[in-house]
Amino acid sequence: EAQVTQNPRYLITVTGKKLTVTCSQNMNHEYMSWYRQDPGLGLRQIYYSMNVEVTDKGDVPEGYKVSRKEKRNFPLILESPSPNQTSLYFCASSARPSGSTDTQYFGPGTRLTVL
Amino acid sequence: AQSVTQPDIHITVSEGASLELRCNYSYGATPYLFWYVQSPGQGLQLLLKYFSGDTLVQGIKGFEAEFKRSQSSFNLRKPSVHWSDAAEYFCAVVGAARQLTFGSGTQLTVLP
Repeated sequence: EAQVTQNPRYLITVTGKKLTVTCSQNMNHEYMSWYRQDPGLGLRQIYYSMNVEVTDKGDVPEGYKVSRKEKRNFPLILESPSPNQTSLYFCASSARPSGSTDTQYFGPGTRLTVL
Repeated sequence: AQSVTQPDIHITVSEGASLELRCNYSYGATPYLFWYVQSPGQGLQLLLKYFSGDTLVQGIKGFEAEFKRSQSSFNLRKPSVHWSDAAEYFCAVVGAARQLTFGSGTQLTVLP
């Protein structure tokens, strides 16, 4: 079954404690991205990756890092989380970039709370 | 810059009633347009998309949307809503910057 998986699904942490949210896709997609969803703001792109070792900033990259060492995985790293990063996070993948006609396939989301 | 507006934050309809969710975009040429649905606790799923051709687009789950260039709109419709349609709906657009931009979403409640 084609899918995008994220772990963990729920995470409560404290300010400054480094964390990683994993994302994996089994569709051999080249393009992957991370979004955050906040009430009244829709989804905003954090980072994206066009392929292995190729990553770039989205609209709201501050406070986040990513890496793409393998095609299937695209982890999101918060080195020093702050309360304003409390949000619902989605990973997505597609064969071509999100600015194309391709469908984005989304993971189930990770709800992060930073105390 | 491209933008997309969903004017209705929350809509409530009765089961079996018709539904129309509004979406307006700002972009000079013809954008790529999408509707996604987010069921509770789930990720987003594509309902339908438009990028050229027939302006009336059929999607999954009985949804359709019509692209109206003169009104810069891409409204989502369904003739008869089912309780399982309760979810949040997002309109998204790709414009000149070739960047996918989402609207703020419309929460749909379905009354029995």
